[in-house]
Amino acid sequence: NFMLTQPHSVSESPGKTVTISCTRSSGSIASNYVQWYQQRPGSSPTTVIYEDNQRPSGVPDRFSGSIDSSSNSASLTISGLKTEDEADYYCQSYDSSNGVFGGGTKLTVL
Amino acid sequence: QVQLQESGPGLVKPSGTLSLTCAVSGGSISSSNWWSWVRQPPGKGLEWIGEIYHSGSTNYNPSLKSRVTISVDKSKNQFSLKLSSVTAADTAVYYCARKGCSSTSCYIDPWGQGTLVTVSS
Repeated sequence: NFMLTQPHSVSESPGKTVTISCTRSSGSIASNYVQWYQQRPGSSPTTVIYEDNQRPSGVPDRFSGSIDSSSNSASLTISGLKTEDEADYYCQSYDSSNGVFGGGTKLTVL
Repeated sequence: QVQLQESGPGLVKPSGTLSLTCAVSGGSISSSNWWSWVRQPPGKGLEWIGEIYHSGSTNYNPSLKSRVTISVDKSKNQFSLKLSSVTAADTAVYYCARKGCSSTSCYIDPWGQGTLVTVSS
């Protein structure tokens, strides 16, 4: 089994770019695709990135995902930050058939 | 589009069994998807509980496996979660969701609105 570790919180100003990391504890980050979910306060999670870097329809291209084998981590980058992007973000992957979530990162847009 | 709705008791006594049902609308539970349960303790992160395919095949979180049962009722287009021997640590918002898979990957979407289950006497 592996764990996914995210920073507890990040903050940035509107219009800027922020990157949230997700580090896999063991095994290669490239072994299993990574998804990213956005959870606004009081709401259910929604998908912003799947398959490492794919955006579901309706998700703006300000959201992008990538993986870095050298740091064994995945990243979610949000450019042109808007106040509506303020939310919790969770990375997620599968260990064989078992789902694994990162601990979540609270994004504050101030 | 597929929608999911959780239902069940909001209060369960310690040592009892938590039972929730997820009704699927806008699509068939017998489609090529897995159906998942995820929970979120108040103020904390998401925890994957497990999933079921319409054939009855299941996958469970190893940390919960001894207490969890997920089942499917194709006639009612719904699936269910049972968690036994609950304690206060099982207090959480419980979400049901679809895990859709392409030829290359899977992801969890959409999610139900979630239901809060409190374990207390």
